[in-house]
Amino acid sequence: RKEVEQDPGPFNVPEGATVAFNCTYSNSASQSFFWYRQDCRKEPKLLMSVYSSGNEDGRFTAQLNRASQYISLLIRDSKLSDSATYLCVALMNSGYSTLTFGKGTMLLVSP
Amino acid sequence: DGGITQSPKYLFRKEGQNVTLSCEQNLNHDAMYWYRQDPGQGLRLIYYSQIVNDFQKGDIAEGYSVSREKKESFPLTVTSAQKNPTAFYLCASSPSTSGYEQYFGPGTRLTVT
Repeated sequence: RKEVEQDPGPFNVPEGATVAFNCTYSNSASQSFFWYRQDCRKEPKLLMSVYSSGNEDGRFTAQLNRASQYISLLIRDSKLSDSATYLCVALMNSGYSTLTFGKGTMLLVSP
Repeated sequence: DGGITQSPKYLFRKEGQNVTLSCEQNLNHDAMYWYRQDPGQGLRLIYYSQIVNDFQKGDIAEGYSVSREKKESFPLTVTSAQKNPTAFYLCASSPSTSGYEQYFGPGTRLTVT
């Protein structure tokens, strides 16, 4: 079983739409979670950390459900510039912490 | 400007040759990492280092080697033993390995023919 699973998409949405990405993780020892954004042929860039209480940054809202081992990212009022691949990432603290990346969900926002 | 640099951006090599990818950071981060990314795949960890002169194998270390002689630098050598070296290689750093997000360099695209 893959450790971090995401729907690969692509998600095709019009500008202004609300879109939600889901992610599940298999290792219950995972302690920190992040969403990264990766543009085509570029490096991943941190979008936001995910906290147990949920957190919001402008149009972006991240939620964590530890009981279900589920993470979500909601994007409101989609912009053309939101088109990218969104990577769900889990960090497990066990001695040396390393990140486990999902394969990413591609978002295409059209005019 | 603080950040992570990788060079070169594109690299072409013949099969059987070793090649070294550069990664430098001026963020004063203790931890550094190397990943590879293949089309349609997630990032896979090759090696990581928490401190100078110390490093650990990641999930796919076979055919690779690293060194950490300076805090700022973590070069990766792709050896001829690596069966499928063509990939996008990403270097990252973080303040430590304890619960911090990682920041990535721009990557090096290696093509071996």
